[in-house]
Amino acid sequence: AQSVAQPEDQVNVAEGNPLTVKCTYSVSGNPYLFWYVQYPNRGLQFLLKYITGDNLVKGSYGFEAEFNKSQTSFHLKKPSALVSDSALYFCAVRGRGYQKVTFGTGTKLQVIP
Amino acid sequence: DAGVIQSPRHEVTEMGQEVTLRCKPISGHDYLFWYRQTMMRGLELLIYFNNNVPIDDSGMPEDRFSAKMPNASFSTLKIQPSEPRDSAVYFCASSKAVMELFFGSGTQLSVL
Repeated sequence: AQSVAQPEDQVNVAEGNPLTVKCTYSVSGNPYLFWYVQYPNRGLQFLLKYITGDNLVKGSYGFEAEFNKSQTSFHLKKPSALVSDSALYFCAVRGRGYQKVTFGTGTKLQVIP
Repeated sequence: DAGVIQSPRHEVTEMGQEVTLRCKPISGHDYLFWYRQTMMRGLELLIYFNNNVPIDDSGMPEDRFSAKMPNASFSTLKIQPSEPRDSAVYFCASSKAVMELFFGSGTQLSVL
């Protein structure tokens, strides 16, 4: 079985500071990894993905994530947070050859002006 | 493309009534997923299809829930009879192969 853990229910960061939202995963074999963002009363929007290759993945709105195979982590990062980044962030894993997509419980990001 | 289209956007019904949620995936996508989101349980996978065939329905809560995908451009999730604990936001999502999912705007279901 595959699983995703987002250990922080909420992350607070001051505007302009760097932000990190943590994610670890468990899956057989090499994973496909994803980050999504959800704004209030909206569906989830795709931010970025790791498929293969460079461990540092760049995505939408200045976000990036680093794949670390030894630590089975895929943390989301941004060098300078904006108030408009405040939202709910989900990490997801999709095992190769296993089509199911499993989401973490979500982390609420609060950027304080 | 218009993205994944779900209807209705909101549904309010009384306990015991039948509820049907509808989804039109993105053209060309071969995977379709139904998720349910609640504050208590987060985002739960209910069922997913590949090329219109149900692959895994282990997340369907009980026999009151059923899902169909009669063709590549349409899927339904039916709850009969509905119960108050079914109140949630139901999302449909589609993907091409094993790439990222594209989500619809969701159906907010309230069962009174």
